[in-house]
Amino acid sequence: GENVEQHPSTLSVQEGDSAVIKCTYSDSASNYFPWYKQELGKGPQLIIDIRSNVGEKKDQRIAVTLNKTAKHFSLHITETQPEDSAVYFCAAKTGNQFYFGTGTSLTVIP
Amino acid sequence: DVKVTQSSRYLVKRTGEKVFLECVQDMDHENMFWYRQDPGLGLRLIYFSYDVKMKEKGDIPEGYSVSREKKERFSLILESASTNQTSMYLCAARDSSSYEQYFGPGTRLTVT
Repeated sequence: GENVEQHPSTLSVQEGDSAVIKCTYSDSASNYFPWYKQELGKGPQLIIDIRSNVGEKKDQRIAVTLNKTAKHFSLHITETQPEDSAVYFCAAKTGNQFYFGTGTSLTVIP
Repeated sequence: DVKVTQSSRYLVKRTGEKVFLECVQDMDHENMFWYRQDPGLGLRLIYFSYDVKMKEKGDIPEGYSVSREKKERFSLILESASTNQTSMYLCAARDSSSYEQYFGPGTRLTVT
């Protein structure tokens, strides 16, 4: 089955700096790549996603890039704010199933 | 937005008890999922259902069963709870015409 790897597991940045989280996947049939933000005590919330026919997508301070050839995709957060502190998960969809990375704990230092 | 609710936020059960975790979604979505979330392991799929009375095993179904008698409700059952089933359990729903998956707030289950 699909294997999704996510790095780094923890990330600390100064407020206003950028944060980048990277994921790789193994199954070339994966066609949808969402990113979730999970705050303490809550379920994951979808923040941005990208389909396999698109290379980049941006939504205000958040962007996702996809390299299908290399089978990797990345989350970019610019101008980070303390409220961006959370755990971020990447995922890859193959068929009807989602496969998740192990999460990145992002801390934005004021 | 889709709303997915789970019956309990926190649950403490004893080893050997039968445990029911309930999930309800309000958007008539066909697909529903149960995951467990453990530190360092991410989210792992236990079972999913793509229609009423239909179910498919995920990656870690052992020790669990599910029930979907109505479209909006998907139940996860631990027939005989064990300490290694202590975890955060997340329910999700997705419409067949969309890729987006919506999660509930989670149930943190502790088995003692």
